Amino acid sequence: NAGVMQNPRHLVRRRGQEARLRCSPMKGHSHVYWYRQLPEEGLKFMVYLQKENIIDESGMPKERFSAEFPKEGPSILRIQQVVRGDSAAYFCASSPLPGGENIQYFGAGTRLSVL
Amino acid sequence: AQSVTQPDIHITVSEGASLELRCNYSYGATPYLFWYVQSPGQGLQLLLKYFSGDTLVQGIKGFEAEFKRSQSSFNLRKPSVHWSDAAEYFCAVGADDKIIFGKGTRLHILP
Repeated sequence: NAGVMQNPRHLVRRRGQEARLRCSPMKGHSHVYWYRQLPEEGLKFMVYLQKENIIDESGMPKERFSAEFPKEGPSILRIQQVVRGDSAAYFCASSPLPGGENIQYFGAGTRLSVL
Repeated sequence: AQSVTQPDIHITVSEGASLELRCNYSYGATPYLFWYVQSPGQGLQLLLKYFSGDTLVQGIKGFEAEFKRSQSSFNLRKPSVHWSDAAEYFCAVGADDKIIFGKGTRLHILP
C-alpha cells in the first residue's frame, strides 16, 4: 500500500508563473489536507478537502491560492503568479476518517523555490 | 485559541545520553496529541499519539511520551539516543479537522 505521493518533489518557478502541486492520498483515504512549512517554522494548516468538496480553507491565503480534489485523480494545490514569499515546503496529508483526532499520514512534500 | 509551544529550538545531546523534548499545548477540550519526526528533506513520520487512556504512551524507535493534563504538557523522552535520531521533532494537537503544530525542536547528537 503506497503512502501519500506528492509530485514534484522540487519545483522552481520564476516570479509571476504558476505552480501546481499534486498529491495522491493513500489508498482508501478520502480526506486530504495541505500544510505549508516556511523555513525554520512548523507546519501551518492551509486547507482540508474531501472528494469534490473544500471543507475548511481557513488557512489559505485569500488570493492566488486554490485547491481541488476531483472525483478522479490527485488533489491539486495551485498557486498563481508566485512571489518569493511563496517559497516553502508544501506537505499533503491524508486520512481515512475526518477530524483532528485521526492520524494524518504525510507525503514527502514539494519544495517550491521562487526565483 | 489552540496552540502548541515547544520552548527549545535546538537541543544537543551526546550519543547514548537520555533525551527529553518539551511540549506544552493550549486546547479547550480533551486533546489529541502527536509527536512527529522530520529528517532533513523528508516528510513527517508519526512517532506516537495520545488519544485517551494510559497517559504514558509508547512509540516507535524507542520513544515514549507522557501526557500531564495538570501541566498541559506532552513531553517526549528516550532513554538513550542514537546518532540516527538527529532530526527535527514536532509536537502537535489535533483540533477539529486539522493538526496544529509547534515550531519544532531540532535535535543534534554529539558522537
